[in-house]
Amino acid sequence: SAVISQKPSRDICQRGTSLTIQCQVDSQVTMMFWYRQQPGQSLTLIATANQGSEATYESGFVIDKFPISRPNLTFSTLTVSNMSPEDSSIYLCSVELAGGQETQYFGPGTRLLVL
Amino acid sequence: GQNIDQPTEMTATEGAIVQINCTYQTSGFNGLFWYQQHAGEAPTFLSYNVLDGLEEKGRFSSFLSRSKGYSYLLLKELQMKDSASYLCAVSPSTDSWGKLQFGAGTQVVVTP
Repeated sequence: SAVISQKPSRDICQRGTSLTIQCQVDSQVTMMFWYRQQPGQSLTLIATANQGSEATYESGFVIDKFPISRPNLTFSTLTVSNMSPEDSSIYLCSVELAGGQETQYFGPGTRLLVL
Repeated sequence: GQNIDQPTEMTATEGAIVQINCTYQTSGFNGLFWYQQHAGEAPTFLSYNVLDGLEEKGRFSSFLSRSKGYSYLLLKELQMKDSASYLCAVSPSTDSWGKLQFGAGTQVVVTP
């Protein structure tokens, strides 16, 4: 298994500001992903965080709005830029562990409220 | 388009059995996952199926039929702590099975 931590665990932000969320894993991972879970809804994949290169974004998500970094194998950040109330959501990172285990682990999530 | 459908809510009594169905239509298939999510918490992994058939893990079992685009999660000997949302997720991508598409989730309510 893996222990995944996210910072901050929650935040309340003003419209127009940006927030950077950090994800740290204690094990060797191959892939890291960022998901969003809007209130009362299921999870939606935002992007794949690629080590040392630009993230790969899913349809409907763009780098200008959600810049992502992954400077090493076990750490990634997601920035929610120029926030609006519609960005109020839970943001979760998830990982695939090295070793080919068909299990994906999720971090505890960051609860974001935009006023 | 791509669809993953599961019932919105199911109610069952403690000690009973509940079966949560999931049907999917995706561009590709690289496995199906079931997750449990308690309110305010992150999803936790329950099961993974990539081949047809039944996978049993304690009180939880998961079944897959790829030809029918169908899976179910079976919860036996229900306990109050099993009250949660159960998420069906498909990995449609062959380059990474970690890129998941989720259903809307089934809220299971266990009553005394």
